Amino acid sequence: QKEVEQDPGPLSVPEGAIVSLNCTYSNSAFQYFMWYRQYSRKGPELLMYTYSSGNKEDGRFTAQVDKSSKYISLFIRDSQPSDSATYLCAMASGGSNYKLTFGKGTLLTVNP
Amino acid sequence: EADIYQTPRYLVIGTGKKITLECSQTMGHDKMYWYQQDPGMELHLIHYSYGVNSTEKGDLSSESTVSRIRTEHFPLTLESARPSHTSQYLCASSGLDGGEPQHFGDGTRLSIL
Repeated sequence: QKEVEQDPGPLSVPEGAIVSLNCTYSNSAFQYFMWYRQYSRKGPELLMYTYSSGNKEDGRFTAQVDKSSKYISLFIRDSQPSDSATYLCAMASGGSNYKLTFGKGTLLTVNP
Repeated sequence: EADIYQTPRYLVIGTGKKITLECSQTMGHDKMYWYQQDPGMELHLIHYSYGVNSTEKGDLSSESTVSRIRTEHFPLTLESARPSHTSQYLCASSGLDGGEPQHFGDGTRLSIL
């Protein structure tokens, strides 16, 4: 079993839709959770960053972490064509050995 | 916006050539990383460094080597390129604190003929 599982999609939605992206993980030591957005031919861009369980909101984006279920989500409200990209979840246990474990990424297309 | 730069962005080169991929950051970050990314696959860590003169191999075995002589510079070298080295190589950096997120460059897309 992979440490991080992410549905690769592709996911296609109409403009204005609410998008839900999810990852599950198996390593209970993970404490730091990130979502990156990667446009075609660009590097991953940090979108959301949370520590431990709970919700974090930033504009149209909300990140949720449920450590008891080992499940994280990213919600995008009022999705725009400019949100079309690959979304990568990543997580780390922290401490002195800070390494990220990534999901495969979900390809999202928002149609105008 | 993160200030981490990779050159070249694209490189097509023949088998057997020596290649150096450049990565520089202006944020003063101590930690730097190299990842390999293939289409539809996870990012895999191939090298990392916690500071000057510190380099470690990552989780994915790679024939490349790295050096860290200056804090801001973390080049990756392939002594003799092969078609199996064709991939996208991404450089990242972060601060020293255990929970700091990593910031990525735009990558070098390498194609070995």
